[in-house]
Amino acid sequence: SQELEQSPQSLIVQEGKNLTINCTSSKTLYGLYWYKQKYGEGLIFLMMLQKGGEEKSHEKITAKLDEKKQQSSLHITASQPSHAGIYLCGADGQGGSEKLVFGKGTKLTVNP
Amino acid sequence: EAQVTQNPRYLITVTGKKLTVTCSQNMNHEYMSWYRQDPGLGLRQIYYSMNVEVTDKGDVPEGYKVSRKEKRNFPLILESPSPNQTSLYFCASSFNRGTQYFGPGTRLTVL
Repeated sequence: SQELEQSPQSLIVQEGKNLTINCTSSKTLYGLYWYKQKYGEGLIFLMMLQKGGEEKSHEKITAKLDEKKQQSSLHITASQPSHAGIYLCGADGQGGSEKLVFGKGTKLTVNP
Repeated sequence: EAQVTQNPRYLITVTGKKLTVTCSQNMNHEYMSWYRQDPGLGLRQIYYSMNVEVTDKGDVPEGYKVSRKEKRNFPLILESPSPNQTSLYFCASSFNRGTQYFGPGTRLTVL
């Protein structure tokens, strides 16, 4: 079955610093989704990537899917305390399955 | 306001006492799903539904049941809850699989 590995597991940065979170799949990605979760709350959809080499941005967050479609990165520029939370990547299941699988998440802390 | 609602938000129960967690969405979404989230294990899909009367197992379906009799509702049923089902549960809905709207979560404790 497909697995998504996120790194790092946790990250502490100073406000204003840039950071990158990675999501690596055990199989080719056909749909990769990034979500943000505040502690104990529901997930909020950030971005979807489907094509190799695709890059999308929203405010100060940029996500990319590599050409081989097995890895995605989420980059935050000039981080702010409002960026703090848990970032999860999700992917479409394989083999025609309609399942969704998620990575275990990356906990981001931004210190003022 | 477009939203996914879950009830109850918090529940403490005892082993073996049947319970239902309700989920409702007002966006006319076809795809609905239930997840549980546990420390160190992440978010795991329990069941999903592609449309009314169409449900299928996710990765951790044991001990759970679901039904999809109406498009807007997708209740999660625990016929005989056990302590290992203590978890944070999320319902989600979407037009397609990945761009999901999540509910606020239900924190379940089974004693």
